[in-house]
Amino acid sequence: AQSVSQHNHHVILSEAASLELGCNYSYGGTVNLFWYVQYPGQHLQLLLKYFSGDPLVKGIKGFEAEFIKSKFSFNLRKPSVQWSDTAEYFCAVNVDTGTASKLTFGTGTRLQVTL
Amino acid sequence: DAGITQSPRHKVTETGTPVTLRCHQTENHRYMYWYRQDPGHGLRLIHYSYGVKDTDKGEVSDGYSVSRSKTEDFLLTLESATSSQTSVYFCAISDHRANQPQHFGDGTRLSIL
Repeated sequence: AQSVSQHNHHVILSEAASLELGCNYSYGGTVNLFWYVQYPGQHLQLLLKYFSGDPLVKGIKGFEAEFIKSKFSFNLRKPSVQWSDTAEYFCAVNVDTGTASKLTFGTGTRLQVTL
Repeated sequence: DAGITQSPRHKVTETGTPVTLRCHQTENHRYMYWYRQDPGHGLRLIHYSYGVKDTDKGEVSDGYSVSRSKTEDFLLTLESATSSQTSVYFCAISDHRANQPQHFGDGTRLSIL
């Protein structure tokens, strides 16, 4: 079965600092990769997705992620974080089961941005 | 935002009682999912549906059942609630098997005392 690892559980950054959140997955086949964000008290929202093509994908709010197949990684980056980026971030891998697709999530990274 | 409504939004109940959570969508999407979110575990798939009356188990299906009698509604039932089922439950929908993201509802916070 596939699994997703997010090694950073809690990250604290000052505004304008650069961000990189790690995500590694284990699955030998074709995967679709996602980053979701959950602001306090809200539902998950899609930040960006990778299906195929250019391994560097850009999402909303200035976020980007790079798919490195050889490292089974899909790290999330942002050059300069804002206080409003305070949230929990989830990496997920989507595997086609034949009847539907199953999203497997990492345990999440809580990002706290200080002023 | 995708048209997903979860009800109730909050519920407190006692151990041993049955509980049903409802997910209603207005997007006519084929695929619907139920997840639970717990600290330190992220989101884990409970059950999913790939069509009316077509459902299958996810990663943590024990103690849960689902039904989908209409495209727009996906019900999650805890037959006899236990304290370990205290969690936040999210419904998600997608209109393609794999190449589209899932869109999530606002969640139901369930406390079992």
